Amino acid sequence: GEDVEQSLFLSVREGDSSVINCTYTDSSSTYLYWYKQEPGAGLQLLTYIFSNMDMKQDQRLTVLLNKKDKHLSLRIADTQTGDSAIYFCAERRGGGNKLTFGTGTQLKVEL
Amino acid sequence: GAVVSQHPSWVICKSGTSVKIECRSLDFQATTMFWYRQFPKQSLMLMATSNEGSKATYEQGVEKDKFLINHASLTLSTLTVTSAHPEDSSFYICSGTRDASYEQYFGPGTRLTVT
Repeated sequence: GEDVEQSLFLSVREGDSSVINCTYTDSSSTYLYWYKQEPGAGLQLLTYIFSNMDMKQDQRLTVLLNKKDKHLSLRIADTQTGDSAIYFCAERRGGGNKLTFGTGTQLKVEL
Repeated sequence: GAVVSQHPSWVICKSGTSVKIECRSLDFQATTMFWYRQFPKQSLMLMATSNEGSKATYEQGVEKDKFLINHASLTLSTLTVTSAHPEDSSFYICSGTRDASYEQYFGPGTRLTVT
């Protein structure tokens, strides 16, 4: 995960929007993903974006990709307490199907 | 669809013993399975990639003789931690992919504690 960086912690109020950022280094990344991990559990795929896209929206989730700056973000609209978890970005490089995960961002949603 | 299970969900073993963790794809054929290790409050580190019927490919720094991986069928991969020591205590997560799939389907993880 050392090549994919995320801020460690984000705290938001319920109902506000959350923006989680991710910076990666490999320009050959083909797919970029956002996963959610709740305590003691595996990973749940939230959404993904192909590298030739700039934006993808899926209900409350909006992914923005800036290939020039190698920056990926996940915006969660109307954040709820159930969104509290750790969020990982991940990149799939080149033609392979291995994933490189980011360092993870702990999202805390307060009432 | 695309459910992956792991067994056991948690295990405690004594130092020096071996422990086997199973990863099963329940409703799809996983041509490739991955094993990850996650330390508390840290990211997932890929340990190895296994393709059905082939030897696993280990990431740099992962001891293949200590972490034995078998992928004997399209629905089952096993990770055996041999001669476990307390530093092997961790959360182990597997995932599987179908051919050409953009998505890895993750298991719920196995918490290993070595005393």
